Amino acid sequence: DTEVTQTPKHLVMGMTNKKSLKCEQHMGHRAMYWYKQKAKKPPELMFVYSYEKLSINESVPSRFSPECPNSSLLNLHLHALQPEDSALYLCASSQDSGGWMNTGELFFGEGSRLTVL
Amino acid sequence: ELKVEQNPLFLSMQEGKNYTIYCNYSTTSDRLYWYRQDPGKSLESLFVLLSNGAVKQEGRLMASLDTKARLSTLHITAAVHDLSATYFCAGPYSGAGSYQLTFGKGTKLSVIP
Repeated sequence: DTEVTQTPKHLVMGMTNKKSLKCEQHMGHRAMYWYKQKAKKPPELMFVYSYEKLSINESVPSRFSPECPNSSLLNLHLHALQPEDSALYLCASSQDSGGWMNTGELFFGEGSRLTVL
Repeated sequence: ELKVEQNPLFLSMQEGKNYTIYCNYSTTSDRLYWYRQDPGKSLESLFVLLSNGAVKQEGRLMASLDTKARLSTLHITAAVHDLSATYFCAGPYSGAGSYQLTFGKGTKLSVIP
């Protein structure tokens, strides 16, 4: 029973569209993450927000723009995507970004499956 | 940078048999995580191993951690079809002041009657 909610579950967009993926958690976690997962591959980290500040951007193209409006919400704004950006986008949260003072376990949402035409 | 290697990457096993999935990681870490992923679904946390010698069991799955050998194992006992899924191990590292997980490539397990 995941407590990380992602919307939409499925998204189809053209290369000129602008869309957003949304993620919400109510576990009081202070770190939130975006991962990208291609078929038959492991999740790859895109962004980390720690206490609502962007702390890691793993050299992600600027057509992906993250936003953390508050500690419970995380958005991923999409613009001018390419077909190769089609993937499952996973949001996750953990208690805090330090990790070492707690279990460090990441809790994942159900994911948003993105198809770029 | 932490590297995590799993083997085997593919595992086809008969129901009722036992097998072990191995996860090696490259740098010192006192913790390791196992996740399960069903096709088209998200990742479900299975085990959080927080110290050397940690052993955790849930049903037919048992995970252990040897931090000195930088090795974790996921042992499957008397496999059943419901265990068919992809299993990922993940190790933590702290980069740029933030904590994150690096995943192995995953082991796709198929349990056949």
